[in-house]
Amino acid sequence: QVQLQESGPGLVKPSETLSLTCTVSGGSISGYYWSWIRQPPGKGLEWIGYIHYSGSTNYNASLESRLTISVDTSKNQFSLKLNSVTAADTAIYYCTRLDCSGHCYPGTWGQGTLVTVSS
Amino acid sequence: EIVLTQSPGTLSLSPGERATLSCRASQSVTNNYLTWYQQKPGQAPRLLIYGASKRATGIPDRFSGSGSGTDFTLTISRLEPEDFAVYYCQQYYGSPRTFGQGTKVEV
Repeated sequence: QVQLQESGPGLVKPSETLSLTCTVSGGSISGYYWSWIRQPPGKGLEWIGYIHYSGSTNYNASLESRLTISVDTSKNQFSLKLNSVTAADTAIYYCTRLDCSGHCYPGTWGQGTLVTVSS
Repeated sequence: EIVLTQSPGTLSLSPGERATLSCRASQSVTNNYLTWYQQKPGQAPRLLIYGASKRATGIPDRFSGSGSGTDFTLTISRLEPEDFAVYYCQQYYGSPRTFGQGTKVEV
């Protein structure tokens, strides 16, 4: 059973870069698509973007100018970097594995990690 | 962007009752590329339904999904105590992928 675990700083200062890593265990990162989704406290879910294990990406246009998602197959990890953060980027960040039936959807989720943007 | 609107915002029911949740899309979700998730407090969302009507592995058969085009429904035939949670629909046809705002099923 594949498991995902997010890691990274829980507090980031405004204008700095938010960096998170998702470690995949119990299975290989190869052969799949992987995504990041976030949820502001008490609010709904927002799609951030996804990456194929080969490195191809698809980003939410609303975040694209600040966003980089990358993959490291040797470490079985993928990562998120979001530049120039503001308080609006405060959220629980989830990493997911996408399952595909035609198009692909989040099947397996990490537990999530809360990132607060504050000075 | 495909906007998903869920209704009602909150559904107040009792265990054993039937729950009917709606998800309406601003444009057609081709091939019924729509999922339903359940989220309990402090937990990550859990996949219930994909392809609008296919139950994910391990999901009880009291959960069923239906619909096509722009109108989709999640039905819980008889609510169990553990089913009280927030439910989200999500479309995976258009870019960006989008979620509905959620329906809370409460006692």
